[in-house]
Amino acid sequence: AQRVTQPEKLLSVFKGAPVELKCNYSYSGSPELFWYVQYSRQRLQLLLRHISRESIKGFTADLNKGETSFHLKKPFAQEEDSAMYYCALFGYGGSQGNLIFGKGTKLSVKP
Amino acid sequence: KAGVTQTPRYLIKTRGQQVTLSCSPISGHRSVSWYQQTPGQGLQFLFEYFSETQRNKGNFPGRFSGRQFSNSRSEMNVSTLELGDSALYLCASSLRAGGGTEAFFGQGTRLTVV
Repeated sequence: AQRVTQPEKLLSVFKGAPVELKCNYSYSGSPELFWYVQYSRQRLQLLLRHISRESIKGFTADLNKGETSFHLKKPFAQEEDSAMYYCALFGYGGSQGNLIFGKGTKLSVKP
Repeated sequence: KAGVTQTPRYLIKTRGQQVTLSCSPISGHRSVSWYQQTPGQGLQFLFEYFSETQRNKGNFPGRFSGRQFSNSRSEMNVSTLELGDSALYLCASSLRAGGGTEAFFGQGTRLTVV
């Protein structure tokens, strides 16, 4: 079954500390993976996707097929990073595909 | 350009009633997907429409239905509402159907069933 697991509901770090939000997936084919973010009172928006291999707002994520993981990392957290983060997989369960989301991790960056 | 617009933002309905939610995608986007978001289940895929055709459907009962118009605007309908249908309903539009394309989300419609 296709599944995205984010083991932490809440992650709290201090400003300037490194942060890693974990994401593990279950998918039999070649996955397309994304991180979406929702800041307070804003809509859900794309943060980054694995095929772009880019860094957005200092965040990076590397796809590890061996460990079926796509963890989101940032070396120095900022207060404005506080938000809800969702890992998502584009999977083909039937004939067509759709986004499958994890349940999200709330990141709180303390001053 | 204008983002994805969902109306209404809030709704309160009684059990047994039906409800229609509306989504206007970003101009030029032809794919519209709907998701249900609840604290317990998170974001769950309902269905996707592309060029007025339902392209994909999630694991929801037949009470949940949708349609897409020629201008790409989409509506979803829930009939015979149940208390468990209380949720935030999100709509997302994409330029194309399928993977690899960014989904742009609306702010959602908060449905409360009493």
